[in-house]
This record gives sequence, structure tokens and C-alpha cells, in this order.
Amino acid sequence: DSGVVQSPRHIIKEKGGRSVLTCIPISGHSNVVWYQQTLGKELKFLIQHYEKVERDKGFLPSRFSVQQFDDYHSEMNMSALELEDSAMYFCASSLQGASSDYTFGSGTRLLVI
Amino acid sequence: SQLAEENPWALSVHEGESVTVNCSYKTSITALQWYRQKSGEGPAQLILIRSNEREKRNGRLRATLDTSSQSSSLSITATRCEDTAVYFCATDPTGANTGKLTFGHGTILRVHP
Repeated sequence: DSGVVQSPRHIIKEKGGRSVLTCIPISGHSNVVWYQQTLGKELKFLIQHYEKVERDKGFLPSRFSVQQFDDYHSEMNMSALELEDSAMYFCASSLQGASSDYTFGSGTRLLVI
Repeated sequence: SQLAEENPWALSVHEGESVTVNCSYKTSITALQWYRQKSGEGPAQLILIRSNEREKRNGRLRATLDTSSQSSSLSITATRCEDTAVYFCATDPTGANTGKLTFGHGTILRVHP
């Protein structure tokens, strides 16, 4: 069981730059969500995709876009990065659209300088 | 305002002692989940307790749910150093299993040898 795999593990970008974060869900899981965590505490819901369709959106900035592909992996495209985007980004997956059994990845630490 | 909130903000105990983290929430729910996040890792689900359940156990963990007072507790008995982590409660604020979990700010638990 490889779990939810996120890449890269760490990334440093300059302000105004772009970045792509990848999330590979557990095999068979078609529900993928993204969360942002700053200051090591509060987790903010960003967006949910289920069966490749956006199902709910939360605090996702308009500068960011998320897509889920045929194999259910997800990519977050981030542009015009701001210093405030520095955070941990976690994705989680579950078998169904409900939130009952989320498995989180280890996260990507983004630092914008 | 927070839809889910843990208290206290932080706890410090010695190995072998028992500890309880409390959670209050503000919306109707179908289930409440407790997560643990160790340093450098993503959150991991500990217990999911449904609205028609009053208590649920998982090894040394015990969660209670009181829907009338909109509160929950997570108790850990015989704590170990490896229980050191941040503990979150999480709810689906719409109660409709949309996949959008709302986390509290978390309780920092430190277990000393």
C-alpha cells in the first residue's frame, strides 16, 4: 500500500513565479481534496474533485487551478505566487465522494521568496 | 468564526498518564472525525464517530459525541511519547457528506518520558 503520494516534497519559488504540485491518490480512489496548512496548525479546504469533476471549492485563490486526470491523479497549477502562498499543501483521497475515509499524503512544503 | 474548535490549545503530560481533548462544533453533522498530525506528516484519521453513536473506541483511544451539546471528546489512555502530535476534530459542515471537512485549529499534545 503506497498511500497517497505527493510531489515534490519541498519546493522554493520566487515571488511571481509558477509551480505545479502533484497528488497521486490511493489506487481506486476517485475523490481527491486539497488543503493548505500554514503555521503548522489550521487546515484550510481548497478544492474537491470527484470522478474528475470539481465538486466543491473553498479557499482556492483564482491564481491557482486544479485538475483531476483520467487516472484520478490531481495537479495544482499555481501562478503569480505570493509570499503568503508559503505553506504546506496536502491532498487526500477517498473511495467515494463522501469525506468518511480520507487518507492524507505527506504534503508539499512551498516556500515563496 | 470556527465551525469546529478544540480545547485546550495545548497539553503536556508524562508517559502513562491519560489525557482528554475536547471539541465543540457549530453545525449539524452526520459524523465527526478525529485526526492526529505528527511533525512533518499529513493528518491521519484516528476515529470517525457518526451522529447516531455516543462512543467509539480504537485501542487506547476513546471518542465520545454529544449531539445535543454539539461537543465531542477524544481520550487517550496510557499515553506514550509517540502520541506527541497535534490533534484535530473535523466535521462536514453541511452534514451532507460533500467531502469538505472543516478542521479546528488543533490541540498540541506533548508527552514527556
